[in-house]
Amino acid sequence: DTAVSQTPKYLVTQMGNDKSIKCEQNLGHDTMYWYKQDSKKFLKIMFSYNNKELIINETVPNRFSPKSPDKAHLNLHINSLELGDSAVYFCASSLGGSGVEETQYFGPGTRLLVL
Amino acid sequence: GDSVTQMEGPVTLSEEAFLTINCTYTATGYPSLFWYVQYPGEGLQLLLKATKADDKGSNKGFEATYRKETTSFHLEKGSVQVSDSAVYFCALSDPGNQFYFGTGTSLTVIP
Repeated sequence: DTAVSQTPKYLVTQMGNDKSIKCEQNLGHDTMYWYKQDSKKFLKIMFSYNNKELIINETVPNRFSPKSPDKAHLNLHINSLELGDSAVYFCASSLGGSGVEETQYFGPGTRLLVL
Repeated sequence: GDSVTQMEGPVTLSEEAFLTINCTYTATGYPSLFWYVQYPGEGLQLLLKATKADDKGSNKGFEATYRKETTSFHLEKGSVQVSDSAVYFCALSDPGNQFYFGTGTSLTVIP
């Protein structure tokens, strides 16, 4: 049973297109995240949703928009794709709430290549 | 603000060598500390964690001790294997549920 799943695993597309990446977790967690990992393996948090409410919105272009239909899903929609958007995008989830122990569980990643 | 600093790589070791990857943190409260591992082509997996000072996290032969006095959480393994080749991330979670990752350290173990 996959705890955090993402689709698609690979995404190759042309500049200017609009694409979405889906994420689902079956852990019953309240908080979900999107990260971008560049070619040097640096992880940058993009968004965090706690029980369908945005609680972190780092300085990412507004071409990126997270959408959470329910607390088990956090999809990432990207408009007008640019070459610099090529990266690996990871979804993650954590229990949420006020506890100190906040292990994050990661999906397998979506490898996006913009041509 | 809170942050994590880990040693830069890449690190290359021979099989059975001793491994240390340094990690220090800055935090205003009492964070939990983590090591995550990313194998080639995969997502991050939790390797070990420690939730309070002097706790030792351990898994798969790896260990790290939460040292509040030195604000460190160094990762160690006594004898690395080729299968340990991966990128290792130090991270902290603060009581406000903010999560901070280090920049990652790439480890290659050669036979």
